[in-house]
Amino acid sequence: DQQVKQNSPSLSVQEGRISILNCDYTNSMFDYFLWYKKYPAEGPTFLISISSIKDKNEDGRFTVFLNKSAKHLSLHIVPSQPGDSAVYFCAASAHPGNQFYFGTGTSLTVIP
Amino acid sequence: DTAVSQTPKYLVTQMGNDKSIKCEQNLGHDTMYWYKQDSKKFLKIMFSYNNKELIINETVPNRFSPKSPDKAHLNLHINSLELGDSAVYFCASSSFDGSNYGYTFGSGTRLTVV
Repeated sequence: DQQVKQNSPSLSVQEGRISILNCDYTNSMFDYFLWYKKYPAEGPTFLISISSIKDKNEDGRFTVFLNKSAKHLSLHIVPSQPGDSAVYFCAASAHPGNQFYFGTGTSLTVIP
Repeated sequence: DTAVSQTPKYLVTQMGNDKSIKCEQNLGHDTMYWYKQDSKKFLKIMFSYNNKELIINETVPNRFSPKSPDKAHLNLHINSLELGDSAVYFCASSSFDGSNYGYTFGSGTRLTVV
C-alpha cells in the first residue's frame, strides 16, 4: 500500500526549460515533505523540504509547491541543467522524527 | 569528510551466512535509520533509532537486527542470509530544528546473496 506516489517514471526536458516533477499522497496526516535526487550508485541527496504551514518553498533554482487539499506537491527546477539529470524522490511524514514514506521516483533527463 | 558513511559498499555472500553492515554519522543527528531499496527502486524503512533507542521497527524478519552502540552509529546485522535479501541498503540520519529538516543518506551497500 503505497502512500506516496510519483506517477511519472520518467521526464525529459530541454536545457534551460522548466522541469516539473509531481507527487501525490494519500495520508491526510502527512505534514512534512521532502524532495531528494539520486545519482546511480550513490545515496539520495536532500534537495528541499516543505511543511504544511507553507504552500511554497524556494531554494535557488528549486521550488516546491504544496497543495494540501489536493494532497499534491510538485518540484520545479528552473532553469534545468544537464547536471540535474537524476532520479528524484518525494517523501512525506506525519511528524518530524517519524519515518518518511518515499515515492518510487521520477527519472529526469535534461537534454543539452 | 563523509557525513553518513556506511561500509562495505558492496557485499557478496552465500546463502546462510551472517553479515553486518556498519553505519556512522558525524552530523550530530539524534535519529538514524536503515532503509532497503528493493528491485522496484522503492525505498522502505526498516528501523529507526533515536538516541540509541529503537523507535521504528517495521515488519522485517527477525534475522535482521540493528545495533546502536551510540547515537553516531547504527549497524545492521543479518543472520542466515537468503536470496531475497539481495538489495541496496541505505543508512540515513536526521535532525529537525522545529521548521527545517536535515536528512542525510549514506551512499548505500549493495548486498548480493548467491
